This record gives sequence, structure tokens and C-alpha cells, in this order.
Amino acid sequence: AQSVAQPEDQVNVAEGNPLTVKCTYSVSGNPYLFWYVQYPNRGLQFLLKYITGDNLVKGSYGFEAEFNKSQTSFHLKKPSALVSDSALYFCAVRLSNSGYALNFGKGTSLLVTP
Amino acid sequence: DSGVTQTPKHLITATGQRVTLRCSPRSGDLSVYWYQQSLDQGLQFLIQYYNGEERAKGNILERFSAQQFPDLHSELNLSSLELGDSALYFCASTAGLVDTGELFFGEGSRLTVL
Repeated sequence: AQSVAQPEDQVNVAEGNPLTVKCTYSVSGNPYLFWYVQYPNRGLQFLLKYITGDNLVKGSYGFEAEFNKSQTSFHLKKPSALVSDSALYFCAVRLSNSGYALNFGKGTSLLVTP
Repeated sequence: DSGVTQTPKHLITATGQRVTLRCSPRSGDLSVYWYQQSLDQGLQFLIQYYNGEERAKGNILERFSAQQFPDLHSELNLSSLELGDSALYFCASTAGLVDTGELFFGEGSRLTVL
């Protein structure tokens, strides 16, 4: 089954510091991987995706993610965190034979402190 | 604003009751996905419809059903409600034929079962 794991329930980082939110995947075949963000009382918003090509994917709001096939990881990164980045972040993988439905990880709460 | 509209935003009901959640996808989107978000289960894919037809099924209970109408709006029907059905229910949409990889989420319907 196509699945992702987010090993950290919460990540704390000071404003201006780099941030990393971790994600590992378990898939058969080529993975289609995604990151979404959820702000309080809102729906999920797409950040970025990896389907094929460059291992470093750039997305919205200055976020990027690095696809690492040998480590089966797809970590989300940002060089300099903002307080407004505080939110819930979800890694996701496309399900096989599901018409583009996504299987989401449990989510990681990011808290950026001033 | 994702363009996906969900109603009602909040719903409180009692165990054993039946409710219907409604989703209007983005203009032109043919695919609708339903997800359940709860604290213990995280984000669970329930079901997908494409242009009126069921396309993929996830962890949807037999007490739950969905349909997509000719105008492409979708409804998720939850019956014989239990306390554990209390959750945030999200609808998402995509164009369907063109694989952009991105799901557009509504802001959710929060169901509380007492």
C-alpha cells in the first residue's frame, strides 16, 4: 500500500532559522509525493509536489522539498521560518488506482516562535 | 479561497441520526473526493466520484454513502451516527482529466455527534 509517515508530531523553530519537516514514504513503483498545509479552521492548501524530474522541488511561500530515493524521504524545508508559517503540515502520496486520491500522513504541527 | 464550497460548516446531531453534507466543486472540476479528519485517525480518504460515477473507494464505512449529481455537486450521507463519527469532513476537487496533482479542498463540515 502507498503510505507516508511523519515521525514528528510537532516541530518548534525560532523565526529566521531554517526549518525541516520530515516525511518518509513506502510505495510500490514511482512515488507521487505532495505537501499540504492546514491553517486553523481552514481546508488544506497545496504547497508542492514531486512527480518526476529534479529531486529538489520548489513550492509556494518559499517552501521546498527534497526527494531522496535511497532514503525514501521527502522532507519539507524552508531556509528562514516565519511566525506565519505556524500551521499543520501534511505529507501525502498518491494512491494507486485511485483516480488521483491522496493518502495523507498524520501531520506535523509547526510552531515558529518570534 | 479554493473555490470548493461545503455546507453546512457546523452540524450537531445525536447518535442514531442521519445527516447529509454537501459539496460544490470548483467550476469545471469533474472529480470530487471526500475525506474525514479526526484526532485519532488523521485524514482518511473516503470516496471519490468522477463525472457522476464512483471512481475509487477508501476507508468508507457501510453506514456512509455518497453521490455526485449531474450538476457535479456531491453529497455525503452519514447514517446511524455514532459518537466516533464526530470529525471534520472535507471535500476536495480536481479537474479529473488533467493531472496537475493538486487537490483543492473546501473548508470542511464539522460534525459533532452527541
